[in-house]
Amino acid sequence: GDSVTQMEGPVTLSEEAFLTINCTYTATGYPSLFWYVQYPGEGLQLLLKATKADDKGSNKGFEATYRKETTSFHLEKGSVQVSDSAVYFCALRRLDNQGGKLIFGQGTELSVKP
Amino acid sequence: SAVISQKPSRDICQRGTSLTIQCQVDSQVTMMFWYRQQPGQSLTLIATANQGSEATYESGFVIDKFPISRPNLTFSTLTVSNMSPEDSSIYLCSVEDGGYQETQYFGPGTRLLVL
Repeated sequence: GDSVTQMEGPVTLSEEAFLTINCTYTATGYPSLFWYVQYPGEGLQLLLKATKADDKGSNKGFEATYRKETTSFHLEKGSVQVSDSAVYFCALRRLDNQGGKLIFGQGTELSVKP
Repeated sequence: SAVISQKPSRDICQRGTSLTIQCQVDSQVTMMFWYRQQPGQSLTLIATANQGSEATYESGFVIDKFPISRPNLTFSTLTVSNMSPEDSSIYLCSVEDGGYQETQYFGPGTRLLVL
């Protein structure tokens, strides 16, 4: 079945460091791909998305490119801030006869130190 | 994007009791979903709440344990029945905005602790 695999956390970085969180997926067809972020004590917020191969999603300095050939959607940011500390979830949207369903990776906790 | 609210935001319950969680959206949406996030875990889809018909449950979730209502296009409830400590989780509802490339937006979640 469809699945999403993320790199294990926690990831600890110093402020202004470069961030990469790896995400790979297994799916039939060409699903839409998403990154969601969960700040401490809060619900999920959509960070960015891509709907087809080679699309690049971007938001708040974060970027991810839909790579069909490597079935990947890695999240990157050039310079992280303390306020980026959160749990990041990669997800794919699977279509079936009930509509779209999100399948999530296990989440990667990011901690940014001043 | 749709604005989603959930009630209660958190609760502490005794085992054997039931809790009903409400999800309200500020616009009419076709698709509403309920997810569970166990402590330190990822999100798992419980069911799709269909307006005017029975909810569609994922493998491992049953209607007797998680009855769902969807009386209109802006509201849904999830009941966690006969609770045990293993039901301690965050329960989140989400909606799919079909008008914006079918993106799902999430409510703030209900944090449930069962003693």
